[in-house]
Amino acid sequence: EPEVTQTPSHQVTQMGQEVILRCVPISNHLYFYWYRQILGQKVEFLVSFYNNEISEKSEIFDDQFSVERPDGSNFTLKIRSTKLEDSAMYFCASSGGRGAVLSYNEQFFGPGTRLTVL
Amino acid sequence: QQQVKQSPQSLIVQKGGISIINCAYENTAFDYFPWYQQFPGKGPALLIAIRPDVSEKKEGRFTISFNKSAKQFSLHIMDSQPGDSATYFCAASGNNAGNNRKLIWGLGTSLAVNP
Repeated sequence: EPEVTQTPSHQVTQMGQEVILRCVPISNHLYFYWYRQILGQKVEFLVSFYNNEISEKSEIFDDQFSVERPDGSNFTLKIRSTKLEDSAMYFCASSGGRGAVLSYNEQFFGPGTRLTVL
Repeated sequence: QQQVKQSPQSLIVQKGGISIINCAYENTAFDYFPWYQQFPGKGPALLIAIRPDVSEKKEGRFTISFNKSAKQFSLHIMDSQPGDSATYFCAASGNNAGNNRKLIWGLGTSLAVNP
């Protein structure tokens, strides 16, 4: 069964450093998302991406964040200068396989990258 | 208006019992309501979802009940098993610009099923 994969599973970085979180969405999906979950709290939307551009971004997704789909398979989230409060689980999701109308509703999540900023 | 309110925060059920988790929303533009199951250290996994044109959807032991007029929906887990012990999130999405379907999440319910 196709699945979303994410690397690394755990990233430890110093405050102010740049990190890149990588995701490989399900191959025929068209919509891509990043969410984050601070420990013990709810999942929060960061950004959605479609047709090689950002569709929507949340207030959290400020100038320190960027996303890119550098090739046909990877989808990356870059945090330019990490802050302590960026420590969280970051989940990539994808949806929208070609076909049934409802398919773009069904978001499938990767296992997450735990980011720890020291 | 973008909030989804979920209750209870935690739930303990005996094996074989029924687990019920409730969610309420305000934004009438929401048109898709999924439930996700999350085990510790894992990503959320889509469990079951419903659209507002039906009042109930059942898949195996999992049922969503949907009340459009009250803007509420609930997850029922029949014959709860210890393996169902996880955190359950309700969510909602609407048709935003460019078919962006960002999910708005509830706070989650930690379910423990005692053997």
